[in-house]
Amino acid sequence: EDQVTQSPEALRLQEGESSSLNCSYTVSGLRGLFWYRQDPGKGPEFLFTLYSAGEEKEKERLKATLTKKESFLHITAPKPEDSATYLCAVVLGDYKLSFGAGTTVTVRA
Amino acid sequence: DTGVSQNPRHKITKRGQNVTFRCDPISEHNRLYWYRQTLGQGPEFLTYFQNEAQLEKSRLLSDRFSAERPKGSFSTLEIQRTEQGDSAMYLCASSLGQGPSGNTIYFGEGSWLTVV
Repeated sequence: EDQVTQSPEALRLQEGESSSLNCSYTVSGLRGLFWYRQDPGKGPEFLFTLYSAGEEKEKERLKATLTKKESFLHITAPKPEDSATYLCAVVLGDYKLSFGAGTTVTVRA
Repeated sequence: DTGVSQNPRHKITKRGQNVTFRCDPISEHNRLYWYRQTLGQGPEFLTYFQNEAQLEKSRLLSDRFSAERPKGSFSTLEIQRTEQGDSAMYLCASSLGQGPSGNTIYFGEGSWLTVV
């Protein structure tokens, strides 16, 4: 059964304290893995798409990497404005996204 | 460049009433999706349109739910005889479906439904 698991559920960081979020997946024939950021009460905001093992993408303080079984979202020197829930999703078939439950990141000044 | 637009953003309704949500996708996006999200969970797929054709409906979409996309433009999601379990955020998303970034799926801000 296709499954996406994110860990940890919550992460509290001090400003400047780098860390990583994990997204492990079991899906046959990965056709894409998405990372989204979601602020409270808002819709998910697209961050990255990764397609093949070894691929990496960066945006400001965020870097996403992909292996055959998991993806990591690295947050380097986070700031309070990086506080949000980060969602990982895999593409099933041609268009359907299957999401994990998310990791809620809180960055304290 | 406008993103995916949804309205209303918030709706409080009494159990048993009908509600309708509207979604305007990014222009020229021929793929449109509806998802549902409850607190502490990731979004769950409900249904998918390619142009005006509804190509897939999740088992989560009971007979009380109906979605349309006339003329392949905006879409509506109607919930009839609402139940308290329908309380959630309903998210609309769209994608181009072709080209290098065609698979990127963009979400709207969501429509919150509270059934009392």
